[in-house]
Amino acid sequence: ETGVTQTPRHLVMGMTNKKSLKCEQHLGHNAMYWYKQSAKKPLELMFVYNFKEQTENNSVPSRFSPECPNSSHLFLHLHTLQPEDSALYLCASSPLRGGTGKGETQYFGPGTRLLVL
Amino acid sequence: QKEVEQDPGPLSVPEGAIVSLNCTYSNSAFQYFMWYRQYSRKGPELLMYTYSSGNKEDGRFTAQVDKSSKYISLFIRDSQPSDSATYLCAMSERNTGNQFYFGTGTSLTVIP
Repeated sequence: ETGVTQTPRHLVMGMTNKKSLKCEQHLGHNAMYWYKQSAKKPLELMFVYNFKEQTENNSVPSRFSPECPNSSHLFLHLHTLQPEDSALYLCASSPLRGGTGKGETQYFGPGTRLLVL
Repeated sequence: QKEVEQDPGPLSVPEGAIVSLNCTYSNSAFQYFMWYRQYSRKGPELLMYTYSSGNKEDGRFTAQVDKSSKYISLFIRDSQPSDSATYLCAMSERNTGNQFYFGTGTSLTVIP
């Protein structure tokens, strides 16, 4: 496996369910991100982890709970979601800041398309 | 005012045309500028990356950054049907954590 992988690719859940999204990066990066992508809107940054430590939480509702056990893996635990949470959830990774090389940008996984009924 | 503005399109061009995609931004501290291509039902794929001002060319793609006007462009020469996708611009500051700011994306269709 290369790059950034995400599972599952598609998920349908009811509002009372609990599910988890998984992300794994094989690029040796130290920063990982969760984004939400909805139609006609810019990517919304949800969470950022640097060296397994959460550094950003952009006012995300508590029904979304991230977990980063190590620099290669990132999870997003979901519970009691709302229909408006239906979206494409993207994981990304990047090296940490420093220098001016290409590696400073982000690399995305294919996303998990979530539908909340 | 949004940090990054991008015309969502849709943009439709005939095969072989030159395509120009643009973004404007408000934060003069942005130093890194990126273009991503996103096919339907896929994650964004890094296409071009530029640091500070100037031009960068990669095959049929040219990225331009004009920091004085806070304006970036992506040009696609000899456009192909396989270029049909949504193009996202993104940018970030140099030393303020890991915050990346994205445009809404421009949907492009290249007609054979």
